[in-house]
Amino acid sequence: DTGVSQDPRHKITKRGQNVTFRCDPISEHNRLYWYRQTLGQGPEFLTYFQNEAQLEKSRLLSDRFSAERPKGSFSTLEIQRTEQGDSAMYLCASSIAALELFFGEGSRLTVL
Amino acid sequence: RKEVEQDPGPFNVPEGATVAFNCTYSNSASQSFFWYRQDCRKEPKLLMSVYSSGNEDGRFTAQLNRASQYISLLIRDSKLSDSATYLCVVNPNDMRFGAGTRLTVKP
Repeated sequence: DTGVSQDPRHKITKRGQNVTFRCDPISEHNRLYWYRQTLGQGPEFLTYFQNEAQLEKSRLLSDRFSAERPKGSFSTLEIQRTEQGDSAMYLCASSIAALELFFGEGSRLTVL
Repeated sequence: RKEVEQDPGPFNVPEGATVAFNCTYSNSASQSFFWYRQDCRKEPKLLMSVYSSGNEDGRFTAQLNRASQYISLLIRDSKLSDSATYLCVVNPNDMRFGAGTRLTVKP
């Protein structure tokens, strides 16, 4: 399968714990995006990378969220000290420049 | 004002109806525009790009109005399988999604 893959698909954690999600984009795609989506809402932009450079980070994102793409390939999104409000689907997408986004199936986070 | 705004609907239409969605954006520097479709519990997938001159793909027509800063999607002869949430995407430098418009096509 050469699509975008995300891991884990589901994560249940207790409030206050740290969680990390991984995204493997389509290999030739230079852009990688992270979004958060809750029920009934569209994907909310979190951050994006062009190669290994993080070019933009949403103002809505608190300091508890950090993302990396160290070698311009896979990316990780870490949430520290999780809160119940962090419960959502975390979507990763990749693209060539600003063209079509290809999404992974998402990582669903539940914070108890 | 949100960067990208859509009428959330829901739109409930009978098969064969024509339905139109609008999406307004606030950043006049936006360069590219798209419509995505998202089925329940699935990831979004590209429906069509929106070009300055307007474009059509079968029953779907997309238009861009830069002066008024909105894009539109028209679906003709709607099918049951068109039931989904339609998301507009606007790209100044990143890719910003609207909240989505939910469409249900009924027999």
